[in-house]
Amino acid sequence: KAGVTQTPRYLIKTRGQQVTLSCSPISGHRSVSWYQQTPGQGLQFLFEYFSETQRNKGNFPGRFSGRQFSNSRSEMNVSTLELGDSALYLCASSFVLAIGLDTQYFGPGTRLTVL
Amino acid sequence: AQTVTQSQPEMSVQEAETVTLSCTYDTSESDYYLFWYKQPPSRQMILVIRQEAYKQQNATENRFSVNFQKAAKSFSLKISDSQLGDAAMYFCASNPSGNTPLVFGKGTRLSVIA
Repeated sequence: KAGVTQTPRYLIKTRGQQVTLSCSPISGHRSVSWYQQTPGQGLQFLFEYFSETQRNKGNFPGRFSGRQFSNSRSEMNVSTLELGDSALYLCASSFVLAIGLDTQYFGPGTRLTVL
Repeated sequence: AQTVTQSQPEMSVQEAETVTLSCTYDTSESDYYLFWYKQPPSRQMILVIRQEAYKQQNATENRFSVNFQKAAKSFSLKISDSQLGDAAMYFCASNPSGNTPLVFGKGTRLSVIA
């Protein structure tokens, strides 16, 4: 099976712009989670989508939003970019078992630089 | 709130030797998973090993094994016969109740010396 894919891999934007990142989960996986990784804050959870619905949300401002499509692909959007949004954005997918806990598999990440 | 603590920011090991990375966690959940992820310079987060809390037997994956002490809330990773390709950032993570996000530790940077 192909792994989680993320596009683009690298992005350079300027303050005030908006950006959309894309994530395609492993085939058959129905849950997609997004994480932000920075040197100072480490790995922080943004949100999780399952069956096109946001199921969990981290503590990020409303400038960060996301959605999931019927094929489980997900996008996240950041509006009005700030310098502090520069980070590696990681997407992870999981199958979502009816019973039991899931394992999240990560994509290669999108490196966003805000100038 | 769930917390995961990795007390060793950096570790080093000689090639072919064994190294143990430490992790402690705090959760009030009765069932959960614990994970070790590896993040090499490519930044791809790779699953190394996972442990279901209800299983008393420690998980193993080839050269990687864990020492899971549930009562002590400790989950250490042992890497045997270390290889140059093991050099990476290692993150301990907890998935407290299945449908909630992973909670990560700050990571341990492992260097392998030839």
